Amino acid sequence: DSGVTQTPKHLITATGQRVTLRCSPRSGDLSVYWYQQSLDQGLQFLIQYYNGEERAKGNILERFSAQQFPDLHSELNLSSLELGDSALYFCASSAASPAADTQYFGPGTRLTVL
Amino acid sequence: GNSVTQMEGPVTLSEEAFLTINCTYTATGYPSLFWYVQYPGEGLQLLLKATKADDKGSNKGFEATYRKETTSFHLEKGSVQVSDSAVYFCALSDAQGGSEKLVFGKGTKLTVNP
Repeated sequence: DSGVTQTPKHLITATGQRVTLRCSPRSGDLSVYWYQQSLDQGLQFLIQYYNGEERAKGNILERFSAQQFPDLHSELNLSSLELGDSALYFCASSAASPAADTQYFGPGTRLTVL
Repeated sequence: GNSVTQMEGPVTLSEEAFLTINCTYTATGYPSLFWYVQYPGEGLQLLLKATKADDKGSNKGFEATYRKETTSFHLEKGSVQVSDSAVYFCALSDAQGGSEKLVFGKGTKLTVNP
């Protein structure tokens, strides 16, 4: 158990809908990262927050957004969903930024868009 | 940009065989290097890491040495077990722009037969 929790574990929805994925980092970790794992793209970095502020953006679509709240949990919002958004979404946390540190991953949320 | 290339799978071995999974990287600067493992139906777990040249990371019988001259971080284990069957990901910590986002290889699926 990494100490990172993600809910829900599975999500099934229809095209055009909007969903919210939730992540709680390890106790004391200030950085939260979101990654997408798909068969064709592999594991790709989406976005990072550090202590409530956006730190870095990767290959995140404009239909996707995220935020980190004062209690440090984070939410990833996916809207106008398309079939191609079906993937496993991971959240990871680490203690500090910008110093290099180890990221601990949650169990993931499997999103299926029908 | 920074990238990671790891050997294509799948890899199938018999129990007690020697394992090598090759990983090479392209990076500016001096990234930290990681191996993560994903067991069936689970999230990513950190297996080992190395933060500077010539460092050796080790855990659970697995080893990898950070080779700057060959830009490699090959994963090895002397005697694999059925329980090692999983997907293995090589990754580097890309600290450009003050973020430590991870850049992953495509993953190598290992199956160990009794």
